[in-house]
Amino acid sequence: GIQVEQSPPDLILQEGANSTLRCNFSDSVNNLQWFHQNPWGQLINLFYIPSGTKQNGRLSATTVATERYSLLYISSSQTTDSGVYFCAVRNTGRRALTFGSGTRLQVQP
Amino acid sequence: ETGVTQSPTHLIKTRGQQVTLRCSSQSGHNTVSWYQQALGQGPQFIFQYYREEENGRGNFPPRFSGLQFPNYSSELNVNALELDDSALYLCASSLASGETQYFGPGTRLLVL
Repeated sequence: GIQVEQSPPDLILQEGANSTLRCNFSDSVNNLQWFHQNPWGQLINLFYIPSGTKQNGRLSATTVATERYSLLYISSSQTTDSGVYFCAVRNTGRRALTFGSGTRLQVQP
Repeated sequence: ETGVTQSPTHLIKTRGQQVTLRCSSQSGHNTVSWYQQALGQGPQFIFQYYREEENGRGNFPPRFSGLQFPNYSSELNVNALELDDSALYLCASSLASGETQYFGPGTRLLVL
């Protein structure tokens, strides 16, 4: 099946810093989603972005489908950004989202 | 618009018992997917239901089974619980099989 790799696995930032999270995938996809999992386990949708670039406030994401990677940018980080960020993909003909192992982000005041 | 809800929030069972977890999909969504998330890992796909039929299954044994009802709510049943079944169980709904999935808050299951 499709492989999803996220980097870095762990990231510690000071409040106000910027960061870039990366997701590499091993096959063509028709669905790519970025999620933020809060400390209570809730997976919060950030972006549905199988290709192209989107922005939502301090967050933006870019997927280059032909090169099989996606990037999530967090600018001016806040302590509430802490948690685990997951990239999940689905390729043609499959039902499931395949998740990466996540990037654990800690933003310190 | 009501989001995805799951019940119960937490559950403790003993090895060998059976458990039923419930999920109500977001209004208008006819597809429900279930995932298991072990501690420190990403969610793993269990199965998907579309219009009351199983529509895909991950690498889980038959003791993991499910149902989808006419109102598109869903149940996940696990028989003969094992210690390794301890995990966060997540339900996601979508408008159709290939569309954006929206997740519920999850059920934390502990098997002793």
